[in-house]
Amino acid sequence: EAEVAQSPRYKITEKSQAVAFWCDPISGHATLYWYRQILGQGPELLVQFQDESVVDDSQLPKDRFSAERLKGVDSTLKIQPAELGDSAMYLCASSQSLDSRSTIYFGEGSWLTVV
Amino acid sequence: DAKTTQPPSMDCAEGRAANLPCNHSTISGNEYVYWYRQIHSQGPQYIIHGLKNNETNEMASLIITEDRKSSTLILPHATLRDTAVYYCIARSSGSARQLTFGSGTQLTVLP
Repeated sequence: EAEVAQSPRYKITEKSQAVAFWCDPISGHATLYWYRQILGQGPELLVQFQDESVVDDSQLPKDRFSAERLKGVDSTLKIQPAELGDSAMYLCASSQSLDSRSTIYFGEGSWLTVV
Repeated sequence: DAKTTQPPSMDCAEGRAANLPCNHSTISGNEYVYWYRQIHSQGPQYIIHGLKNNETNEMASLIITEDRKSSTLILPHATLRDTAVYYCIARSSGSARQLTFGSGTQLTVLP
């Protein structure tokens, strides 16, 4: 069964350092999502792509977060500089299209600890 | 987006059916109801979704009331591995059609 691949699985970084997460969606999936999940809460959408275009980045803290999907396939989420409050799990997800019937599948997530 | 309301926690005996309720009284006519679950430290796992009709797959059944104001996810024979947080989501019908997660229900299957 095809999966959404994410790396690294775990990352510990010092405050003010840069950190990046990578996501490879299920092959053929045009829509890609990045979510952040703080311990004890549900995931929150950060940014959504349709192919290489941003559909929604209204919840992305643009002063320190950036996301790209240059060729419309894999994607990178970057944080610079990292802050203590960024400690969370970062989830990537993908779906075939924007159609509401198109199931969204999640990766295993990348755990970030900022010290 | 329609807001969903779920009980914060539920217990179920192993081998029995687990019935997880969800209220979505403000759901619009073209918003699908999606269910995901999340086992500790893992990404959310898709379970099932539906619009108006009841749905069944290898994991669960989804019963949606005729007025679409509520739904129930049924795990027919719960096992210990079904212990997880279950999220009921009314998927946005806007242009982005996102999933907006609430707090979910922590289901604990007891031996």
